Amino acid sequence: GENVEQHPSTLSVQEGDSAVIKCTYSDSASNYFPWYKQELGKRPQLIIDIRSNVGEKKDQRIAVTLNKTAKHFSLHITETQPEDSAVYFCAASITGTASKLTFGTGTRLQVTL
Amino acid sequence: DGGITQSPKYLFRKEGQNVTLSCEQNLNHDAMYWYRQDPGQGLRLIYYSQIVNDFQKGDIAEGYSVSREKKESFPLTVTSAQKNPTAFYLCASQSWSTDTQYFGPGTRLTVL
Repeated sequence: GENVEQHPSTLSVQEGDSAVIKCTYSDSASNYFPWYKQELGKRPQLIIDIRSNVGEKKDQRIAVTLNKTAKHFSLHITETQPEDSAVYFCAASITGTASKLTFGTGTRLQVTL
Repeated sequence: DGGITQSPKYLFRKEGQNVTLSCEQNLNHDAMYWYRQDPGQGLRLIYYSQIVNDFQKGDIAEGYSVSREKKESFPLTVTSAQKNPTAFYLCASQSWSTDTQYFGPGTRLTVL
């Protein structure tokens, strides 16, 4: 089955700096890669996703890049703010009829003032 | 996200007891999922259902059971066979026409 590895497990940045979280996946058939943000005690919420037919997607301060050859995808957050502090999870799946998401182990991002 | 509800928010169980966690969605989603989250870890899939009256085991199904008698409901029973059930349980749902899973607010289960 699919295996998703995520690094780093913790990341501390100063407000205004950029943050990068990286994930690798094992199943070359995976073609959908969402990123979720989870604040303490809350539910995970989708912040951005990318499909294998594109290499990059941006949404304001958030961007995701995908390298299918290397089976890597990354989340980039620019101009970080204290409210970006949370745990971020990457995931991978094969699209089609409601498929299984395989999640990475999460990155705890701390944005300091 | 507001269309998926889980109850109760907190649940305490004595060892040897079975408990059932509720998950309801009014999004008309076809598929529903149960995940377990332990501190500092990712989400691990327990069971999922792509259609009414059908469900499949996920990666950690032992000690759990589910049913899917209605499209909008997917209850999870944590049985006494689950040796370490203390965790945060998240339910999710997804439409066949999209790839996005939406999560409920979760149930925190503690075994006393």
